[in-house]
Amino acid sequence: EIVLTQSPGTLSLSPGERATLSCRASQSLTGSHLAWYQQKPGQAPRLLIYGASSRATGIPDRFSGGGSGTDFTLTISRLEPEDSAVYYCQQYGSSPFSFGPGTKVDIK
Amino acid sequence: EAHLVESGGGLVQPGGSLRLSCASSGFTFSSYAMTWVRQAPGKGLEWVSAISASGGSTYYADSVKGRFTISRDNFKNTLYLQMNSLRAEDTAVFYCAKGLGEFLYVFNYWGQGTLVSVSS
Repeated sequence: EIVLTQSPGTLSLSPGERATLSCRASQSLTGSHLAWYQQKPGQAPRLLIYGASSRATGIPDRFSGGGSGTDFTLTISRLEPEDSAVYYCQQYGSSPFSFGPGTKVDIK
Repeated sequence: EAHLVESGGGLVQPGGSLRLSCASSGFTFSSYAMTWVRQAPGKGLEWVSAISASGGSTYYADSVKGRFTISRDNFKNTLYLQMNSLRAEDTAVFYCAKGLGEFLYVFNYWGQGTLVSVSS
């Protein structure tokens, strides 16, 4: 079973700043099968990135993903107030298709 | 655009059963993997179960294996989750979601969720 850890737990930044979120897997992910989701309070999750670096349909280009093997990052290049949310990574290379515990991004 | 609507949640006693349904529209249901993901109050996302497009492959989290059964009806465009032997720790909002492909278990459309409460 692949366990995902995310850091930091909470990130507090100002609009216009750059956010870098980390996701580490306990085993190497075959085919870079790593996705990132955004979830705002009271809403369902929204897919941002899949295949470690491919943006989902309709996602602004200020969101970008990178990494391979066991270490992955989600970067939000210029934070906007609506980016305040919890961000989860998920691996889909092998069952169980686990999620990380999430990183909360607060916009000051 | 894909649209998913969950139903079947509610209050159930420990040891009881519930069957969740997820009605889909706006896409060719039989061509995509589907999943159930839950979120306990104030907690993170927990993947529960997934099924391939044809229904021939199913997957479960260890926490629900042997108690929950995922299935689908590709004629009715509906996904199901049969939940037996429910426990207090199963209390959560249950979301259904659509995969990116036949065997791609990354999820690009989600329903709004249905709340399951397990309590005496």
